[in-house]
Amino acid sequence: SQTIHQWPATLVQPVGSPLSLECTVEGTSNPNLYWYRQAAGRGLQLLFYSVGIGQISSEVPQNLSASRPQDRQFILSSKKLLLSDSGFYLCAWSHRFNEKLFFGSGTQLSVL
Amino acid sequence: GENVEQHPSTLSVQEGDSAVIKCTYSDSASNYFPWYKQELGKRPQLIIDIRSNVGEKKDQRIAVTLNKTAKHFSLHITETQPEDSAVYFCAANDYKLSFGAGTTVTVRA
Repeated sequence: SQTIHQWPATLVQPVGSPLSLECTVEGTSNPNLYWYRQAAGRGLQLLFYSVGIGQISSEVPQNLSASRPQDRQFILSSKKLLLSDSGFYLCAWSHRFNEKLFFGSGTQLSVL
Repeated sequence: GENVEQHPSTLSVQEGDSAVIKCTYSDSASNYFPWYKQELGKRPQLIIDIRSNVGEKKDQRIAVTLNKTAKHFSLHITETQPEDSAVYFCAANDYKLSFGAGTTVTVRA
């Protein structure tokens, strides 16, 4: 069966520091991968998606970036965090693009 | 792009009663409509989904109905139980999956 791993679970970072969140999927090949952000009490905002290695599409212009160095690995990065980057970050995967997304356990990021 | 509106934002029901959440979407080309349940501090989990060629789908106590003409779809939970308390999100796809803002459901014992 397929599993998705996301880490770390929680992260407290100072403003201006870098960020790296990692997500890996097991048990499948060539998954569609997604990064979402969820602000407190809000819905899910799509940040990036990838349909293959090295292919990244950005939804929201901001100081975040994403990379897919391997088929089942998806990384969310920032060179300098802002206060507004705080939130709950969720990685997800699917077989068919934009259908039946399965989410990772999330990373609660607090930027202070 | 797709715009999904979800109502109500909060819903309190007595255990055993039914709960209904409604969503509207803007893009008539959308053809896939999932519903996710998210418990506090947990990941969203897919509970049911429907495609545009189907008007209704049921899975035990939950059901989803779709009205393509009116561009709205609804989640129905019957015989609610305390474990149904959570935030529920609807979504619709165009080139991406767009989510509603969520409905916090509280089931009172």
